[in-house]
Amino acid sequence: DGGITQSPKYLFRKEGQNVTLSCEQNLNHDAMYWYRQDPGQGLRLIYYSQIVNDFQKGDIAEGYSVSREKKESFPLTVTSAQKNPTAFYLCASSKDDPGGRTQHFGDGTRLSIL
Amino acid sequence: SQQGEEDPQALSIQEGENATMNCSYKTSINNLQWYRQNSGRGLVHLILIRSNEREKHSGRLRVTLDTSKKSSSLLITASRAADTASYFCATAQGAGTASKLTFGTGTRLQVTL
Repeated sequence: DGGITQSPKYLFRKEGQNVTLSCEQNLNHDAMYWYRQDPGQGLRLIYYSQIVNDFQKGDIAEGYSVSREKKESFPLTVTSAQKNPTAFYLCASSKDDPGGRTQHFGDGTRLSIL
Repeated sequence: SQQGEEDPQALSIQEGENATMNCSYKTSINNLQWYRQNSGRGLVHLILIRSNEREKHSGRLRVTLDTSKKSSSLLITASRAADTASYFCATAQGAGTASKLTFGTGTRLQVTL
């Protein structure tokens, strides 16, 4: 079955540590996205990538970094500069569609501070 | 920034009743989408309505869009316990590869037996 796989499901970060969240898709979608969701809130866009080797900042990119070396993969690094990283992180992908792009989501990674 | 605001924030109904959620947004859109999120899971796309459409149906879902009022509503008819989830509207300002989604704050729906 095609889909998006995020790993790990739970992740703990120590002070001063960078951590990387994995996102892999086998849907052959060109665009991929990273969102942050805080409790009881909607999704806020961190970074997105429309094609391989290209990505753009979203609304809350500070303290995060990404890469897009392969179409299938869009890892997110939460750096030590992100002072409040505790949140639920969601990865999504979409393909071009004349009717309008819809997004397919993974099941998220919950990041907590030790 | 969050474009959409959903109303109500939380809704509790009994099985078999209808549930209506509203979404308001601020800027012009290409399309508006509704997603569902079960607790601790990712979002699942439900329905998309384009800016030149006024109403759309999919199974027990009915979506309306009023671009003059910058608002949309999602109606779930004959609700079931399995409909318990958070529901989000999302607006797309661009089209094609330029399209990003901006999500609202969500409505938490509880359907009791």
